[in-house]
Amino acid sequence: DAGVIQSPRHEVTEMGQEVTLRCKPISGHNSLFWYRQTMMRGLELLIYFNNNVPIDDSGMPEDRFSAKMPNASFSTLKIQPSEPRDSAVYFCASTVGQGFQSPLHFGNGTRLTVT
Amino acid sequence: AQKITQTQPGMFVQEKEAVTLDCTYDTSDQSYGLFWYKQPSSGEMIFLIYQGSYDEQNATEGRYSLNFQKARKSANLVISASQLGDSAMYFCAMRDHRNTGFQKLVFGTGTRLLVSP
Repeated sequence: DAGVIQSPRHEVTEMGQEVTLRCKPISGHNSLFWYRQTMMRGLELLIYFNNNVPIDDSGMPEDRFSAKMPNASFSTLKIQPSEPRDSAVYFCASTVGQGFQSPLHFGNGTRLTVT
Repeated sequence: AQKITQTQPGMFVQEKEAVTLDCTYDTSDQSYGLFWYKQPSSGEMIFLIYQGSYDEQNATEGRYSLNFQKARKSANLVISASQLGDSAMYFCAMRDHRNTGFQKLVFGTGTRLLVSP
């Protein structure tokens, strides 16, 4: 079975440009998460969706970040305008069910470099 | 306040030996779940093992086991018979009801494990 698919794997862009990261969750999973990983801050939850509805976006750093989930099989994380401090690895993860025991399944991440 | 604490930034172990990676957590909930993930140098996050707060037995998955001490709020990962491929970052994570919606996982800062021949 296909896992969580993220694209692109690597993104290099200049400060001020718009960046769009894409995620396809595992089929049948009803919750989707965007995490950011940096050396300084570790793994931070940015936002998560349940049944395509944003549930908690308290981790979104500022208005430059936005996320959408137009359907059960696709989500985007957009940064506009991008800044060098946004450089990080961005992970998408999905899970199914409501119980404590459901692990998150992660994509391979998108490494974003903003110059 | 930090909810997951991993106090060992790095650990070394020789091949075939066992190693324990520490994790303590903070929650006032009675119901919660604890997870361990492995992140090799290639970057992906791999789920290893789960322990529920009401599980009476320590979780085991192959060479991985959890030393779960509820009263001490610790959930240490034990890797037996270490292999070179176990060299990676290891993250402890928790899910409890205090989060907004209980699917959210909060991660610790990780422990880097190096296995030497």
